[in-house]
Amino acid sequence: DVKVTQSSRYLVKRTGEKVFLECVQDMDHENMFWYRQDPGLGLRLIYFSYDVKMKEKGDIPEGYSVSREKKERFSLILESASTNQTSMYLCASSPPTGYGETQYFGPGTRLLVL
Amino acid sequence: GEDVEQSLFLSVREGDSSVINCTYTDSSSTYLYWYKQEPGAGLQLLTYIFSNMDMKQDQRLTVLLNKKDKHLSLRIADTQTGDSAIYFCAEPNQAGTALIFGKGTTLSVSS
Repeated sequence: DVKVTQSSRYLVKRTGEKVFLECVQDMDHENMFWYRQDPGLGLRLIYFSYDVKMKEKGDIPEGYSVSREKKERFSLILESASTNQTSMYLCASSPPTGYGETQYFGPGTRLLVL
Repeated sequence: GEDVEQSLFLSVREGDSSVINCTYTDSSSTYLYWYKQEPGAGLQLLTYIFSNMDMKQDQRLTVLLNKKDKHLSLRIADTQTGDSAIYFCAEPNQAGTALIFGKGTTLSVSS
């Protein structure tokens, strides 16, 4: 079974803090994704990566950065957390793109920024 | 632009059938997906349909695809309280690099 794990289920941070969200997948997938999920807005793509050290901006990259130093790990970084970044963050991975390959999701990290 | 639309809420009684509808925009989509999110959890793939199919059945789930109208539906037969969740419809983006998700339909099942 594909397993995607996220470092924390719940996180509470203060405004201005630097926040790292870690995601690890064990299926040797090339593609990895970070989404945020907000009520009424569904899932919105923040960044994705299709290879080590490669990254592409999604729909809402502002205020975020990512790092992919190893194939299995994709980190989302909030350089200076703000209250409007309070959200559920979901990581996903998928095999190489044929055309929109199935994505496998982690359990999510619920982040609260005070 | 690319967009996936679905209604936000559906409420049914246990034992009834549920039908969740979705419209999408990219007629060239090769696969269309349904994901399920249980409370407090990530999304899990429920089923998918290849674009050259009209229908796919998998136990209690039936997916219907109308390519002409760009309409996708998910029917759950004999809905159970354990089916209460958020259901997301998704299609690949035009570049084929990511999925575009609808906002999700919250299915509430009462006993």
